[in-house]
Amino acid sequence: DIQMTQSPSSLSASVGDRVTITCRASQSISSYLNWYQQKPGKAPKLLIYGSSSLQSGVPSRFYGSGSGTHFTLTINKLQPEDFATYYCQQSYSSLMYSFGQGTKVEIK
Amino acid sequence: EVQLVESGGTLVQPGGSLRLSCIVSGFSFSKYDMHWVRQATGKGLEWVAAISTAGDTYYRGSVKGRFTISRENAKNSLYLQLNSLRAGDTAVYFCARGGEGYYAMDVWGQGTTVTVSS
Repeated sequence: DIQMTQSPSSLSASVGDRVTITCRASQSISSYLNWYQQKPGKAPKLLIYGSSSLQSGVPSRFYGSGSGTHFTLTINKLQPEDFATYYCQQSYSSLMYSFGQGTKVEIK
Repeated sequence: EVQLVESGGTLVQPGGSLRLSCIVSGFSFSKYDMHWVRQATGKGLEWVAAISTAGDTYYRGSVKGRFTISRENAKNSLYLQLNSLRAGDTAVYFCARGGEGYYAMDVWGQGTTVTVSS
């Protein structure tokens, strides 16, 4: 099974900051890496697919990069509505998916 | 409007069984892979099972042999049969569509809650 490891598990930031979250895969997953945002009591929302492609309707301040085993999600100019938990997820392994443990972005 | 609506979650005793349903609308159901993902209270997302358009099924190790995913394209419905339930299966269960872009889960339901307790 492919293991996904995110860091940090939580961070505190202010409105306007740039935030970077890292995700590592236990083996190469090419660009089959997706990022989701989840707010309390809500379903996850797809932000980025294929490591760097922005899902329709997602603001351009969200930026994804990486390939192989190392990936990053960057949020530029953090907005109040961006405070949430973010998950990476691999879709490389024929419908046998796995998520990272999540990164909670909190207000400083 | 693309929509997924789960139902069937409830309180069940350890060892019991339950069937979750996910009814979809607004897209051609038969053309998409589908997934179940769960989340225990205060915990992260955990992929549970998937079914391809061809009906091939995939499970995480901890549920293999106990859970069964199925689909009924004529009814635009996805199911998850949960047997031999354990306390550790307590969670909100989401259904999600496997999208075309790198197979990411691009549409999600609101979730249904399964509680396993005596």
